[in-house]
Amino acid sequence: NAGVTQTPKFQVLKTGQSMTLQCAQDMNHNSMYWYRQDPGMGLRLIYYSASEGTTDKGEVPNGYNVSRLNKREFSLRLESAAPSQTSVYFCASSPTGDMNTEAFFGQGTRLTVV
Amino acid sequence: AQKITQTQPGMFVQEKEAVTLDCTYDTSDPSYGLFWYKQPSSGEMIFLIYQGSYDQQNATEGRYSLNFQKARKSANLVISASQLGDSAMYFCAMREASHASGGSYIPTFGRGTSLIVHP
Repeated sequence: NAGVTQTPKFQVLKTGQSMTLQCAQDMNHNSMYWYRQDPGMGLRLIYYSASEGTTDKGEVPNGYNVSRLNKREFSLRLESAAPSQTSVYFCASSPTGDMNTEAFFGQGTRLTVV
Repeated sequence: AQKITQTQPGMFVQEKEAVTLDCTYDTSDPSYGLFWYKQPSSGEMIFLIYQGSYDQQNATEGRYSLNFQKARKSANLVISASQLGDSAMYFCAMREASHASGGSYIPTFGRGTSLIVHP
């Protein structure tokens, strides 16, 4: 029962370095999301993908890019990491066309940029 | 304006007592879904309970119930008989038709409430 799998779980980057956060789901969901969680701010949407081949910006997209590689995978890339991107990142997925089903979350990636 | 408002940054409750975590929402859609998640210190997001806007009865799942007051746009989570393991962050979330793209109803989250259960 894998559900949504994120890698890595922890990462420390130096300012200016790049990295890609990986996310894969095995529930055949069309919709996938990337959120960041900061203390006192809840979860804020970075990017989402309603279906394979489509991506759209969320509330806080600056400094990030995404790729929906196929139906299963949705990656988040930081091209030049900044300390302001220190956060916990969550990938989530849900069936498209169904607002009555919960979103399923990965375990999260704790990223520190020094 | 925030779509989901959780006004209690922190709450304390005695073990075995009931506690209510507040959530108000803002939408003009007639159709929407409301969700509560639990995030323990280990970090994962655990789905607890769901309430649909057309549901006549309040949702219940074990010790969790959702006090849904549609006219007041509130969806408070009630935890009965609190346990030490209930200590966690709790997030209220909403999915609505007007915040959708390509058929994807994008979940919007509140800022969360930290619950501490005292023995």
